[in-house]
This record gives sequence, C-alpha cells and structure tokens, in this order.
Amino acid sequence: KAGVTQTPRYLIKTRGQQVTLSCSPISGHRSVSWYQQTPGQGLQFLFEYFSETQRNKGNFPGRFSGRQFSNSRSEMNVSTLELGDSALYLCASSLSGGREKLFFGSGTQLSVL
Amino acid sequence: GIQVEQSPPDLILQEGANSTLRCNFSDSVNNLQWFHQNPWGQLINLFYIPSGTKQNGRLSATTVATERYSLLYISSSQTTDSGVYFCAVGGYQFYFGTGTSLTVIP
Repeated sequence: KAGVTQTPRYLIKTRGQQVTLSCSPISGHRSVSWYQQTPGQGLQFLFEYFSETQRNKGNFPGRFSGRQFSNSRSEMNVSTLELGDSALYLCASSLSGGREKLFFGSGTQLSVL
Repeated sequence: GIQVEQSPPDLILQEGANSTLRCNFSDSVNNLQWFHQNPWGQLINLFYIPSGTKQNGRLSATTVATERYSLLYISSSQTTDSGVYFCAVGGYQFYFGTGTSLTVIP
C-alpha cells in the first residue's frame, strides 16, 4: 500500500505570490490534516479535513486555506506569501481521525524569498 | 491548547547504550503517538499509545494517562536511531512537543 504522497518536494517562491501544495492520503484514509514545521515554532496544526469538510482549524491567518476532494486527496493554498511562511509543510492521513494512528508524508519544503 | 513538554531536549549516546525519553502533557487525551523524524524530514510513526505499554523490537513505550506522561525507551541504540523524536497528543488536532534530538555515535 502506498504511503502518503506530497508534491512537490521543494518549492521556491517570492513574497506576494501564492502556492498550492498537494497531498494524496493512504488508500482508504478519509482524514487528512496539515502541519507547518519551522525551527522557531516547531510543528503546528493548520487544519484537518474529513469527507470534503474542514473539521478542525488551527490558529493561522486566512491566507492559509485548504480543501479536500471526493477521492480524499487534499490541497492547501497559501496566498500573498510572506518570508515567515518558509517552512516544511507536512500532510498526514488516518482512517477517520480521532483515536487512530497518524501517517505522514515526506513534506513540501517551501522557501519564500 | 494542550501543552506538551519533552525531555531531554538533546541526547548523545554511544552505540549500544540505552535511553529513556519523556513526554509530559497538560490535559487528559485519548490519543498519544510517538514519531521519529529522520534527517530527510520524514516523520515515522513509532507508537500509537494512549495508555499502557507496547514494544516493537528495541523500542518500547509506556503511557500513564492518569499522571499525564509517556516514556519512550530505546535499547541497544544504533546510529540509525539518530534523529528527532516527537511526542504528539490530541485526536483530530495534534499538539506536538519540541522533540528530543538524539545522536548516536559509533
């Protein structure tokens, strides 16, 4: 069974641009969540989707958004990029969220110049 | 949100040594997991352990939910064990500790 797949692996953008990251969960997993990892703030929760609905949202500005498709694949979008958005963005999937194991993808390393 | 504290922050071991990593959390949780982040950034799930004890090879973990802490034991450490170990608690939303950076030297 394939693991969680994130694309692209690396991205370089400039301030003010927008970016879209993609995540394909493990087959059969319906919950997808996103995390941002930075050296200063560590791992922080962005949002979680289940059955195309955002079920939980972390404390990030509205420039960060996401969506989930009917096949459980998810995308997250960051608009009007700032230097501080440079981070490793990690996607995780589980069967339905809650009391289950979480499986992470390899992440997308975003650099904002 | 839930506060998660991990100790020690850094650990350097000789190959073959044993170690214990600790995770304290501030509120009752129904989901606790341990992860290993390798040098390439991949987070590998080691244990799903909201309570009790589990073992997987040289690794074992114990969570005492009533006292809000969890321990990860690494025995006979190998250089491939190097990396950062994270404890995460929550459910639909996970709160991560700041990690324990482990370096195993040959």
